[in-house]
Amino acid sequence: NAGVMQNPRHLVRRRGQEARLRCSPMKGHSHVYWYRQLPEEGLKFMVYLQKENIIDESGMPKERFSAEFPKEGPSILRIQQVVRGDSAAYFCASSGDITNYGYTFGSGTRLTVV
Amino acid sequence: GQQVMQIPQYQHVQEGEDFTTYCNSSTTLSNIQWYKQRPGGHPVFLIQLVKSGEVKKQKRLTFQFGEAKKNSSLHITATQTTDVGTYFCAGLRKAGGTSYGKLTFGQGTILTVHP
Repeated sequence: NAGVMQNPRHLVRRRGQEARLRCSPMKGHSHVYWYRQLPEEGLKFMVYLQKENIIDESGMPKERFSAEFPKEGPSILRIQQVVRGDSAAYFCASSGDITNYGYTFGSGTRLTVV
Repeated sequence: GQQVMQIPQYQHVQEGEDFTTYCNSSTTLSNIQWYKQRPGGHPVFLIQLVKSGEVKKQKRLTFQFGEAKKNSSLHITATQTTDVGTYFCAGLRKAGGTSYGKLTFGQGTILTVHP
């Protein structure tokens, strides 16, 4: 039973380019969450999605960032016109019934903007 | 919005010493979860506490949930070098009678164990 799959593991983008981060949840999980982490810092919530629905995007910057979780295929976190401050590790997690089980995290995408 | 505070931010111990990290929420929680992240790795779920005053043990790790369901602690007895990493608490709040899926993470405690 594969865990949460994130790709790519490492992504280098020049300032102004677009970054697309992909996340396939665990089989049977319908909830997907994206978190951002800077070195030696905590996990900052970005967005919570279920299939075809954004449940909570209160942690997403209003500009340049968007997320989706289509009926078919992985969840996508998209960052347009990246800036150096976007460099971070982006973790995706999925869950089933959160009252009984924790999140399963993917290995993360390390984004570097040069 | 909900805030989860965790202290200390850093803890350096000698191998064999004990370690404790504390977590405090601004609101009453439905449950609290603990995660461990090894250096360069991703967070891994350790345990979930649901009941007021609950205490759970995993070998040398003891987890507690406060009576008011607003605070929690993780205690490691006789640390080993394999305990190195960042320990996060994460709170799940209730909304409208149901448990809302988003976890709010504490800032984490970075544990260093010197051999």
